Amino acid sequence: NAGVTQTPKFRILKIGQSMTLQCTQDMNHNYMYWYRQDPGMGLKLIYYSVGAGITDKGEVPNGYNVSRSTTEDFPLRLELAAPSQTSVYFCASSTWGGTGELFFGEGSRLTVL
Amino acid sequence: DQQVKQNSPSLSVQEGRISILNCDYTNSMFDYFLWYKKYPAEGPTFLISISSIKDKNEDGRFTVFLNKSAKHLSLHIVPSQPGDSAVYFCAATPTGTASKLTFGTGTRLQVTL
Repeated sequence: NAGVTQTPKFRILKIGQSMTLQCTQDMNHNYMYWYRQDPGMGLKLIYYSVGAGITDKGEVPNGYNVSRSTTEDFPLRLELAAPSQTSVYFCASSTWGGTGELFFGEGSRLTVL
Repeated sequence: DQQVKQNSPSLSVQEGRISILNCDYTNSMFDYFLWYKKYPAEGPTFLISISSIKDKNEDGRFTVFLNKSAKHLSLHIVPSQPGDSAVYFCAATPTGTASKLTFGTGTRLQVTL
């Protein structure tokens, strides 16, 4: 039972590089989310999706893009990486958006130097 | 503006004793509250939740109490076990809008032998 799978788990980027964090879930969940967690802080919502083809901004969307072409996949694209994007990124999914009981992936630690 | 606050970054409790983790919120629109547990190098996992129509919810060793007038909730773990050592995040949302889930900064619980 894989649940929510994120790749890569670790990545070091140089300033200005781009990359995509992959996220896939096998629970047939309609809702998917990307969060970031900075040291000593709570999780901040970057983008979310309520279904294939539908995405919306969260609290901290600047510098990121997402797409949702299938129910299973929700990749997060970082364009022109900046040191401020050094963080741990978590992908999550839920059956619906009502009560916040999210299933999280293991996280992707990104360092921008 | 930190709408969900966990003022204790860490807590140490002896095995077998009660652990009490506290959380305060400021947004009156929040009416559904959750606790997530996070082990190192893993994603958060849902632990327990409570709706604002209740003031208490129990699940085994875990009980969440909600004081709406004080905008305060607490998580009680009785008895505490070494496996409970983790970071605990409080989260809140208006019901029906998991995309607006707001997390606290977390409390690191250490249960000692």
